[in-house]
Amino acid sequence: QKEVEQDPGPLSVPEGAIVSLNCTYSNSAFQYFMWYRQYSRKGPELLMYTYSSGNKEDGRFTAQVDKSSKYISLFIRDSQPSDSATYLCAMTGSVREYGNKLVFGAGTILRVKS
Amino acid sequence: KAGVTQTPRYLIKTRGQQVTLSCSPISGHRSVSWYQQTPGQGLQFLFEYFSETQRNKGNFPGRFSGRQFSNSRSEMNVSTLELGDSALYLCASSLAAGNTDTQYFGPGTRLTVL
Repeated sequence: QKEVEQDPGPLSVPEGAIVSLNCTYSNSAFQYFMWYRQYSRKGPELLMYTYSSGNKEDGRFTAQVDKSSKYISLFIRDSQPSDSATYLCAMTGSVREYGNKLVFGAGTILRVKS
Repeated sequence: KAGVTQTPRYLIKTRGQQVTLSCSPISGHRSVSWYQQTPGQGLQFLFEYFSETQRNKGNFPGRFSGRQFSNSRSEMNVSTLELGDSALYLCASSLAAGNTDTQYFGPGTRLTVL
């Protein structure tokens, strides 16, 4: 079993819909949680960064972390065709144990139809 | 400010050959990490360098190696190439060695092994 599980999709939604993307993980050492967006033929870019449990909002994006359930989510409000991309969750633990090593989910392909 | 650059962008090699990929981090960044991205395994951590020292290494065979120079530029080398080494190789840089630092990814080098 992988440390981080993420449904690869594809997830297809109409423009304006609320999108929910999720990851589950098994390693309780993970403390830092990230969401990256990757467009075709590009490197991943950081969207959201959360430490421990809680919510974080940035514009149309909201990240949620529930460490008790080992479950993280990314919500995209008012989705746009330009949001069509692969969304990768990533996580890591303490600096001493992980350094800058990130453990990624498989990525979910999102398609927003206009 | 210029982002992370990787050269070459595309590379075609045959089995048994070796290859060297290059990564120039964002100016001022001292930490460089390398990842392999494949459709089957997703993004997997290869190794991380900080101030010319390898700080962390992923679960890859010894054919995969890397180094970092005093100007923070990094190279990775794959010897005795196998078909399964075909992948997108991504480099990420960050300011320092803590995982609260944002990691910025380059566009990657697409390696095809024939």
